[in-house]
Amino acid sequence: QKEVEQNSGPLSVPEGAIASLNCTYSDRGSQSFFWYRQYSGKSPELIMFIYSNGDKEDGRFTAQLNKASQYVSLLIRDSQPSDSATYLCAVNMGANAGKSTFGDGTTLTVKP
Amino acid sequence: GAVVSQHPSRVICKSGTSVKIECRSLDFQATTMFWYRQFPKQSLMLMATSNEGSKATYEQGVEKDKFLINHASLTLSTLTVTSAHPEDSSFYICSAPDQTGELFFGEGSRLTVL
Repeated sequence: QKEVEQNSGPLSVPEGAIASLNCTYSDRGSQSFFWYRQYSGKSPELIMFIYSNGDKEDGRFTAQLNKASQYVSLLIRDSQPSDSATYLCAVNMGANAGKSTFGDGTTLTVKP
Repeated sequence: GAVVSQHPSRVICKSGTSVKIECRSLDFQATTMFWYRQFPKQSLMLMATSNEGSKATYEQGVEKDKFLINHASLTLSTLTVTSAHPEDSSFYICSAPDQTGELFFGEGSRLTVL
């Protein structure tokens, strides 16, 4: 079992729809959780981070964390073609992003 | 946000030669930097943690003599791929956490070994 698992994808949604990206992790001691967006041929960029159970909203993005289920998700509302990218889930044992373990990523395509 | 710059962005070299990739934190000091390798359609694989003023910490399975890491200052870490082979062709990315702990990535360096 991988330490961090994501939907294999690819995921395709129409413009304006909600995109739901899921991630599970194996280490119950994990403390911090990150979602990165990576465009093809580019480096990852941080979208959101979450430390506590529940929802965290930032604009069109909502991260959801359930430590009991070892599950973290990212919802993208009103999806735009510019959201088309690979989304990486990363998990860290500490409070900072430092030495995170990355999932394989889910590729999202938003169709106009 | 903080900026991490990586150079070169693309490099093509012949098999057997060595290639150096630089990673600089432009507006903050980074005592720690991370080096990753990413193959097509795969996630980032942490290769090593670069520590300013001390030896790098390598992940299991990463040859420290092949991937030389030097972190000579608080703003610069270098990765040298020695005696490169075609299987070393990959996208190499560095990252550094700023003072808040947020991780910032360099632009990445695409290495092609002929």
